[in-house]
Amino acid sequence: QQQVKQSPQSLIVQKGGISIINCAYENTAFDYFPWYQQFPGKGPALLIAIRPDVSEKKEGRFTISFNKSAKQFSLHIMDSQPGDSATYFCAARSSGSARQLTFGSGTQLTVLP
Amino acid sequence: GAVVSQHPSWVICKSGTSVKIECRSLDFQATTMFWYRQFPKQSLMLMATSNEGSKATYEQGVEKDKFLINHASLTLSTLTVTSAHPEDSSFYICSARDLARLEGNTQYFGPGTRLTVL
Repeated sequence: QQQVKQSPQSLIVQKGGISIINCAYENTAFDYFPWYQQFPGKGPALLIAIRPDVSEKKEGRFTISFNKSAKQFSLHIMDSQPGDSATYFCAARSSGSARQLTFGSGTQLTVLP
Repeated sequence: GAVVSQHPSWVICKSGTSVKIECRSLDFQATTMFWYRQFPKQSLMLMATSNEGSKATYEQGVEKDKFLINHASLTLSTLTVTSAHPEDSSFYICSARDLARLEGNTQYFGPGTRLTVL
């Protein structure tokens, strides 16, 4: 059972453009939604995260938009750069004691120079 | 801060041998560490949750006798792949939860270990 659905699977954007990656979840017990960036052969690195009581969070060129009623959240990368080319994973954390993360399937972003 | 290291970064072993992977939180204490497995171009799949001083909790379908986890201290967890087979070849990633940080007990990931079983 895929609890976090991520789209698109791959995304190609021109330098300077906006990259948008979407995620949807079903479990209302999730209480924390991070985004991770992963380069080939490396572990994921936390990019930005949001709690469900906030509709938007911005850090530099990265913005998370959160729609609690629709159970959807998205990552916007403004002024995309070739160095942003990586795989991006959304995740959702359960509110139980284990606080486990459930990951989306990933989006491979390519920013063309 | 919040650095997690893994050792080794890559390992090649023969089928039937055992391999130990270490995960360390370098600048914080982690009562809970997580072990993930990632196949090429796929997402991270949680294998087990490792709690300091107690037995690990394994996800459904993960053989606990094959993937031995030990979390002996607040900064070290180890994953031992016993009697490795070629199908165990994968990218193994650990993460540690920093309870001291305000932002939601954020998980910080190690750089991963590439295991290749011949």
